[in-house]
Amino acid sequence: ETGVTQSPTHLIKTRGQQVTLRCSSQSGHNTVSWYQQALGQGPQFIFQYYREEENGRGNFPPRFSGLQFPNYSSELNVNALELDDSALYLCASRRTYQETQYFGPGTRLLVL
Amino acid sequence: EDQVTQSPEALRLQEGESSSLNCSYTVSGLRGLFWYRQDPGKGPEFLFTLYSAGEEKEKERLKATLTKKESFLHITAPKPEDSATYLCAVQMNSGGYQKVTFGTGTKLQVIP
Repeated sequence: ETGVTQSPTHLIKTRGQQVTLRCSSQSGHNTVSWYQQALGQGPQFIFQYYREEENGRGNFPPRFSGLQFPNYSSELNVNALELDDSALYLCASRRTYQETQYFGPGTRLLVL
Repeated sequence: EDQVTQSPEALRLQEGESSSLNCSYTVSGLRGLFWYRQDPGKGPEFLFTLYSAGEEKEKERLKATLTKKESFLHITAPKPEDSATYLCAVQMNSGGYQKVTFGTGTKLQVIP
């Protein structure tokens, strides 16, 4: 069974730019969530996707957006990058009627 | 407001010195409580899911317990390879989706 994978592993951007992060969910998992983890903090929920639609969102502005594809893979897009967007971005997947979610290795984003 | 608090923030143990990590929570409609282990710069690794007060789960040197207001992660005779940050998260129903809130973690260092 393939686990959750994310790409790229590391990324450096400058303030004002846009970025797209990618996630492939674990086999059989159709619900995907994205989290932002600042250094020394716990992961903060950004949003969740199920059946290609966002069905839950945390306290993040609209410049954080996402997509889910028919194969359950997902993208996180961030526009107008700010210095505070520097963080580890985590993708997690689960089966719809199960609570436990499994995380990918994350993408480390640095905004200069 | 839903809240998850972990203590202590950091813990230093000698190899073989057993201890417990605490996760207290105030949420409505708890669906599950999760423990994850996270190594520096990596995604959280799933350890346990607990669903109801009185439930216990074990894996090697780790044992997780749950009450109505808190959970404990007991570490028996730890080894240096147990050094990591341990994250607690709670899942609850929120506006039609299952919201997950993380604590800030306990950073465990086990010294040989």
